[in-house]
Amino acid sequence: QVQLVQSGAEVKKPGASVKVSCKASGYTFNNYGIDWVRQAPGQGLEWMGWISVNNGNTHIAQRFQGRVTLTTDTSTATAYMDLRSLRSDDTAVYFCAREAATGFLLYWGQGSLLTVSS
Amino acid sequence: IVLTQSPGTLSLSPGERATLSCRASQRVAGNYLAWYQQRPGQAPRLLIYGASGRATGIPDRFSGSGSGTDFTLTISSLEPEDFAVYYCQQYGGSPYAFGLGTKLEIK
Repeated sequence: QVQLVQSGAEVKKPGASVKVSCKASGYTFNNYGIDWVRQAPGQGLEWMGWISVNNGNTHIAQRFQGRVTLTTDTSTATAYMDLRSLRSDDTAVYFCAREAATGFLLYWGQGSLLTVSS
Repeated sequence: IVLTQSPGTLSLSPGERATLSCRASQRVAGNYLAWYQQRPGQAPRLLIYGASGRATGIPDRFSGSGSGTDFTLTISSLEPEDFAVYYCQQYGGSPYAFGLGTKLEIK
């Protein structure tokens, strides 16, 4: 069965960086894109970006451009989301999600809580 | 594309019919519109894709309709486990924005 297992909770100081991982299993990793979505406490879902595992192409939401880098390691079937210059309003649960062939998000990770606090 | 969901909160009783709306600021390419359910403390779950396709394992009381800019999620007869937050998302073109969600609460 398809599983996406994310890294654990992190606490960071403002200005720092964080790297969240998402390890995939149960399917051919190269065949499907991975999206990243975040959810601030008590708020809705916010789409951050997408990476094609096949060729490394990315689409990053405009508000995150310059602060977010999406990468994958096909040898370990793991996707990564790097977020730099952290601010307190980056405090959120970060989800990775595997796309279906046409782009909707079929499988989700369990979420990784990031707390940014001085 | 901006997605506007209404109402923000919907208060209904089990057994009633729920109708949730998602309106796009411009046409959604290919009617690539999905609906997700999110229960507290859980990751979202795909319900509907392509505006009207039901995801595997989703009960047939959930149905999606609409095209272009106006989309609807209908739950024909609410079960206790259906009280949650529902989000629409367009994936016809980047950025794949979500709506702000509709909270379905027990009346």
